Amino acid sequence: EAGVAQSPRYKIIEKRQSVAFWCNPISGHATLYWYQQILGQGPKLLIQFQNNGVVDDSQLPKDRFSAERLKGVDSTLKIQPAKLEDSAVYLCASSLRYRGYTEAFFGQGTRLTVV
Amino acid sequence: AQTVTQSQPEMSVQEAETVTLSCTYDTSESDYYLFWYKQPPSRQMILVIRQEAYKQQNATENRFSVNFQKAAKSFSLKISDSQLGDAAMYFCAYRGLYSGGGADGLTFGKGTHLIIQP
Repeated sequence: EAGVAQSPRYKIIEKRQSVAFWCNPISGHATLYWYQQILGQGPKLLIQFQNNGVVDDSQLPKDRFSAERLKGVDSTLKIQPAKLEDSAVYLCASSLRYRGYTEAFFGQGTRLTVV
Repeated sequence: AQTVTQSQPEMSVQEAETVTLSCTYDTSESDYYLFWYKQPPSRQMILVIRQEAYKQQNATENRFSVNFQKAAKSFSLKISDSQLGDAAMYFCAYRGLYSGGGADGLTFGKGTHLIIQP
């Protein structure tokens, strides 16, 4: 079974530029999460999708971050414009369904450096 | 809001020895899950073990076991017979079982860096 795929693995941009990350969840997984992991900290949930609808985006800085999940499969997370404090690893995870216990599987993340 | 605290930024253990990583959490809910994740340098989070709050019996997975103290809101991870491949960041995480809508993502601690001395 293929895991959660993310690209790119690394990205370096200048502040005020824009960047996009892509996530392909495990086939059949209805729930998709984006987490931000700043160096030295645990991941923090940014947004959660159930199929192509948003369950919660209360932690997403909406003035600069946006995310979508077209057709309830792949998802993209965009930052525009980027700030220095956005430097972090962005992790995507998916699980079979919402609520109840199903394991969340993580991708390898995208390491973003804003200079 | 739930919080997860890991008070040990770094732990070191000799190969083949036993080490315990500590975690405390704060919640007003009665039903929830607790997890330990391993994050090697590849950055991918790998589930090590999970515990349902309604279960009194501590979870065990091969060399990994937990000590779950619900009243004390404590959830420690014991690794027996430590191996070089166990070296990684370890994160304690909480997930609530909400009755209503809203996110059901994980709340993580800051992590413990585990070093295995050969």
